[in-house]
Amino acid sequence: EAGVTQFPSHSVIEKGQTVTLRCDPISGHDNLYWYRRVMGKEIKFLLHFVKESKQDESGMPNNRFLAERTGGTYSTLKVQPAELEDSGVYFCASSRNRDSYGYTFGSGTRLTVV
Amino acid sequence: AQSVTQLDSQVPVFEEAPVELRCNYSSSVSVYLFWYVQYPNQGLQLLLKYLSGSTLVKGINGFEAEFNKSQTSFHLRKPSVHISDTAEYFCAVSEIDGQNFVFGPGTRLSVLP
Repeated sequence: EAGVTQFPSHSVIEKGQTVTLRCDPISGHDNLYWYRRVMGKEIKFLLHFVKESKQDESGMPNNRFLAERTGGTYSTLKVQPAELEDSGVYFCASSRNRDSYGYTFGSGTRLTVV
Repeated sequence: AQSVTQLDSQVPVFEEAPVELRCNYSSSVSVYLFWYVQYPNQGLQLLLKYLSGSTLVKGINGFEAEFNKSQTSFHLRKPSVHISDTAEYFCAVSEIDGQNFVFGPGTRLSVLP
């Protein structure tokens, strides 16, 4: 089966611009997760979708971040406006079941805000 | 809430030498434990996991880890490393009924020829 696909793989934008990251989960995986690793820090949970519903968005840093999962398939994570501290790697993962040991991670999107 | 500590941010080791990457965690509830690896320019890949049962867990690429509940540790070991093991390694925990990971800061393993 195809893995979790993220694009773009890299994005460089200027402070104040908008960027949209996309994640295509493994087909049939209802659970989709976003994590990010800002420079030099831990990988941190952002949010969790079950199908098209946000199950847990406790990790979203502020209202400049908007995640959607229309139709319960792919997901987008929009940052508007981007700030310098948003630079880092954004990971997406998906799982079939609601447990933590069935995750498959994507390769990540490296976001650089200049 | 949980937290994960990986005391060694960087570990250089010569090829064919043994290596141990340390992981300690803190949690008020029972947890699952994981090690993930990120090779250069790739995503996170699961190396191994501890859910229950035997405290010695074997993973891919010859890695193993041992869960020590009294010391709240889950150290990763390999008896003989290869150049291809050069990567960043992340320890992570998850509540047993939870759905999210808490990751450690990562250990960058460099295998030298």
